Amino acid sequence: DTGVSQDPRHKITKRGQNVTFRCDPISEHNRLYWYRQTLGQGPEFLTYFQNEAQLEKSRLLSDRFSAERPKGSFSTLEIQRTEQGDSAMYLCASSLENTDTQYFGPGTRLTVL
Amino acid sequence: KNEVEQSPQNLTAQEGEFITINCSYSVGISALHWLQQHPGGGIVSLFMLSSGKKKHGRLIATINIQEKHSSLHITASHPRDSAVYICAVFFQGAQKLVFGQGTRLTINP
Repeated sequence: DTGVSQDPRHKITKRGQNVTFRCDPISEHNRLYWYRQTLGQGPEFLTYFQNEAQLEKSRLLSDRFSAERPKGSFSTLEIQRTEQGDSAMYLCASSLENTDTQYFGPGTRLTVL
Repeated sequence: KNEVEQSPQNLTAQEGEFITINCSYSVGISALHWLQQHPGGGIVSLFMLSSGKKKHGRLIATINIQEKHSSLHITASHPRDSAVYICAVFFQGAQKLVFGQGTRLTINP
């Protein structure tokens, strides 16, 4: 257990539905990252926050994806109008600013039918 | 383009064998991570390197900055070492990790 938690751990949804995932980072960590990992591949960066500010977004993050970190603590990642191509493991990680070590959560596995 | 390449993609060995996994990257980095991912998805950081060599138990990680190459070695491999090993880097000036595609290691008893 790294101290980073994610909820839910698994989500099965039908195409076209909206889904929301939550990440709770280590409490004193001000940086929070979202990654996506498809089967057999390494994770890919989606976005990151420093406190409540979203500082960088990947081009992978289409307009159907939105992430928030309203109080600089937990974060949510919402996918609207899900597509089968969104099926993946969504990983969250946190770190202290100006440190390179990230602590990963267990991930949320999304299956879109 | 900032890229990270790992080899091999899959590796099967017998218990006790010496294991080497390689990682190459395209441009200068500020740090390189070796990560371990077990079935079910959880990722654990094994090492962070910016130069030289680090050792933890049976695991050794080395990096050659000039060659833009790192290796992860496992001595006296054991079936519990079976996992996916991922190399990830911070390219200089970047705030995000770029990951290799991972190496799936299977150690048979």
